[in-house]
Amino acid sequence: NAGVTQTPKFQVLKTGQSMTLQCAQDMNHEYMSWYRQDPGMGLRLIHYSVGAGITDQGEVPNGYNVSRSTTEDFPLRLLSAAPSQTSVYFCASSYGAGGPGETQYFGPGTRLLVL
Amino acid sequence: AQKITQTQPGMFVQEKEAVTLDCTYDTSDPSYGLFWYKQPSSGEMIFLIYQGSYDQQNATEGRYSLNFQKARKSANLVISASQLGDSAMYFCAMREGRGTGRRALTFGSGTRLQVQP
Repeated sequence: NAGVTQTPKFQVLKTGQSMTLQCAQDMNHEYMSWYRQDPGMGLRLIHYSVGAGITDQGEVPNGYNVSRSTTEDFPLRLLSAAPSQTSVYFCASSYGAGGPGETQYFGPGTRLLVL
Repeated sequence: AQKITQTQPGMFVQEKEAVTLDCTYDTSDPSYGLFWYKQPSSGEMIFLIYQGSYDQQNATEGRYSLNFQKARKSANLVISASQLGDSAMYFCAMREGRGTGRRALTFGSGTRLQVQP
């Protein structure tokens, strides 16, 4: 059981470039989400998905796209990178049954620097 | 208004002593969940403990316990017998809106705990 995996671990982009951050989980969790963490702050929700084919926006969705074609994968696309998107990105998943089953488990994070 | 407030940016504790990290929350939803996560310097987010709004007992997980005071809307994390490896950033988080299917977490700004030998 690998849990939640994210690739790449580190990425440097130039302003205007696009890229996809990969996230996968092997726990058959229905709920997946993307957060960003800026220095000295807690995490903020970008997008989330309650199941394959269903996605919705979080608190800070601008500049990001997501899709969920399978239960396992939830990629995050940066359409045109900006320096304000320099951050650490975390993917998380949960079974979502309520109670302790709703606990979200996080991937190791992707550190993104936009120059 | 802040949904999750952690008023202690930094805390020091001596090894083997207990420490309480404060967390207050704001919600009008009767059904919610409260979580604590640990983030060591390596950066990963480690789940520590969960408390549901309808749970009658305070949650405990090993050396971690959650002092849940519903009327005061507080969910403080208590770490007993601190160890050097407990030095990390600690985040309190809340999930609201179970009925909508949205299970997003709202995080506080965190408390940095340093355990001194």
